[in-house]
Amino acid sequence: DADVTQTPRNRITKTGKRIMLECSQTKGHDRMYWYRQDPGLGLRLIYYSFDVKDINKGEISDGYSVSRQAQAKFSLSLESAIPNQTALYFCATSAFTPGRTGELFFGEGSRLTVL
Amino acid sequence: RKEVEQDPGPFNVPEGATVAFNCTYSNSASQSFFWYRQDCRKEPKLLMSVYSSGNEDGRFTAQLNRASQYISLLIRDSKLSDSATYLCVVNRGSGAGSYQLTFGKGTKLSVIP
Repeated sequence: DADVTQTPRNRITKTGKRIMLECSQTKGHDRMYWYRQDPGLGLRLIYYSFDVKDINKGEISDGYSVSRQAQAKFSLSLESAIPNQTALYFCATSAFTPGRTGELFFGEGSRLTVL
Repeated sequence: RKEVEQDPGPFNVPEGATVAFNCTYSNSASQSFFWYRQDCRKEPKLLMSVYSSGNEDGRFTAQLNRASQYISLLIRDSKLSDSATYLCVVNRGSGAGSYQLTFGKGTKLSVIP
């Protein structure tokens, strides 16, 4: 079983619908992240959380919200989906280990299509 | 200069060849550097960290040149299974700085039989 699990893996929805992407992890990491990946643009950070009570915006947070329900769960919501939010979304986790601050563990991704 | 820049490729090389990728970064205060590998339609996975002294892991060698602000990845004796996109990642933070990661757009490698 994957250490970082994302659901759903694929979703097609319509403009204006509310969508939630869920992420759960069994790695015991405190830090969790949501990224989106678009062809030709690379990975961009949407939100991140360093513990249950900590939520921070990333570089492209507009149109998104998150909830850290527990150490192991971090969900991403699109309140009113729009077509340019069509992308591959990745959840990731990391531990705070001095000297290894760039080691992220990614889920398998959630492919979202907004029509 | 873009924050993290990579040649998108594709690099098409025969099996057994040696191939090298470079990545340049703009922020001289960047603290740590990494190479990730991403297979088609899969999640990125850490390939190796890049240390100031350079480091090697089997057929893979990573080097850092702080003066010129670039990192490199050398793959020797290429295998078909090395075909993937290689992402250069730069961390501008230290300590609590994982969130300051910037990903390059990736360099695509295709190893041909």
